[in-house]
Amino acid sequence: QVTLRESGPALVRPTQTLTLTCSFSGFSLSTSGMCVNWVRQPPGKALEWLAFIDWEDDKYYTRSLKNRLTISQDTSKNQVVLTMTNMDPVDTATYYCARIRETSGSYSFDFWGQGTLVTVSS
Amino acid sequence: QSALTQPASVSGSPGQSITISCTGTSSDVGGYNLVSWYQQHPGKAPKLMIYEVTKRPSGVSDRFSGSKSGNTASLTVSGLQAEDEADYYCCSFAGSRTLVFGTGTKVAVL
Repeated sequence: QVTLRESGPALVRPTQTLTLTCSFSGFSLSTSGMCVNWVRQPPGKALEWLAFIDWEDDKYYTRSLKNRLTISQDTSKNQVVLTMTNMDPVDTATYYCARIRETSGSYSFDFWGQGTLVTVSS
Repeated sequence: QSALTQPASVSGSPGQSITISCTGTSSDVGGYNLVSWYQQHPGKAPKLMIYEVTKRPSGVSDRFSGSKSGNTASLTVSGLQAEDEADYYCCSFAGSRTLVFGTGTKVAVL
């Protein structure tokens, strides 16, 4: 079955770089149509799509954070990594990774990780 | 990439029907039949309820249905049940393989 799990630091200092890892199973990111995304949710607030990486290693980012985000994959480890530079307290959020199966043409997140809360504080 | 607009809250009594709107632009909701809806209970990850505007994933109750007219998509929950009390988010493809979420709606079952 498909599972995704986020991991990374629970606490980050302002101006530091955040590195989050999404470890997944039940599918391969080298399979045509498979994509992994990062989505975040500040406490009590709405979901925000952040980044997308696909089976051809193409990458897309939300415009507002494009200069701070990098998404990458390690196909051999079934992992996707998100880095976000220059962290600020407003970046405090639960960060989720989620799958899209583009072959279905739906651009919907069919499987999600449980999320990891990242707090930015000095 | 501005967030799609949803009402902050919607409520209904058990057995009633409610509808949540999701308003975007011709660059997202209106431009593609690629709107999805997610249910999120407190402390849990979102769950896919509707995709491609009207389609339900296997295992999702047929009490949930979706539609779209112009730049506004809607999620209808029929026969409201206590377990439907949650936050609901719409999401739309916005071109160039980017996506945008809605502002979220809290559904209360009275």
